[in-house]
Amino acid sequence: EAQVTQNPRYLITVTGKKLTVTCSQNMNHEYMSWYRQDPGLGLRQIYYSMNVEVTDKGDVPEGYKVSRKEKRNFPLILESPSPNQTSLYFCATMRGVSYNEQFFGPGTRLTVL
Amino acid sequence: SQELEQSPQSLIVQEGKNLTINCTSSKTLYGLYWYKQKYGEGLIFLMMLQKGGEEKSHEKITAKLDEKKQQSSLHITASQPSHAGIYLCGADNNAGNMLTFGGGTRLMVKP
Repeated sequence: EAQVTQNPRYLITVTGKKLTVTCSQNMNHEYMSWYRQDPGLGLRQIYYSMNVEVTDKGDVPEGYKVSRKEKRNFPLILESPSPNQTSLYFCATMRGVSYNEQFFGPGTRLTVL
Repeated sequence: SQELEQSPQSLIVQEGKNLTINCTSSKTLYGLYWYKQKYGEGLIFLMMLQKGGEEKSHEKITAKLDEKKQQSSLHITASQPSHAGIYLCGADNNAGNMLTFGGGTRLMVKP
């Protein structure tokens, strides 16, 4: 079954404690992306990757890092989380690198105290 | 970056009624996507439009892109409670590798 998985699904942490949200896909898609969703601000793109070892900033990259060492994985790293990073995070993948349907993961709800 | 305005922000309709959600862009749309999200869950792809004047349908949902490629509408015929959720439009940048989303339309369907 085609899947995008995210872990953890829920996380409560404290300011400054480094964390990683993992994203994995089994569709052999080249493109992967991270979004955050906030009330009133909608869904905003954080980073995206068009292939292994290729990553680019989206609209709101500050405070986040990503890496793409393997095609199937695209972890989102928060080196020093702050309360304004409390949000619902989605990973998405896409076949090819343009103009295709994006498949979204189930979301990770992060709370930073 | 491209800005997308969705209207209305929220909508409550009686089951069986038709409804339309609009998505307006400040720039020409190169690829326009419609997604549905159940509250707090991931997004489900509905349709993608690329050509001016294009129209696509799936079951009771029809999406259109205007000739000028700056506005899209999503029309639901004979709404059902299963249509409830948040509808989001997303647009590609010119290179097709970044999506910008509208603020979403929250739809409730009363039985």
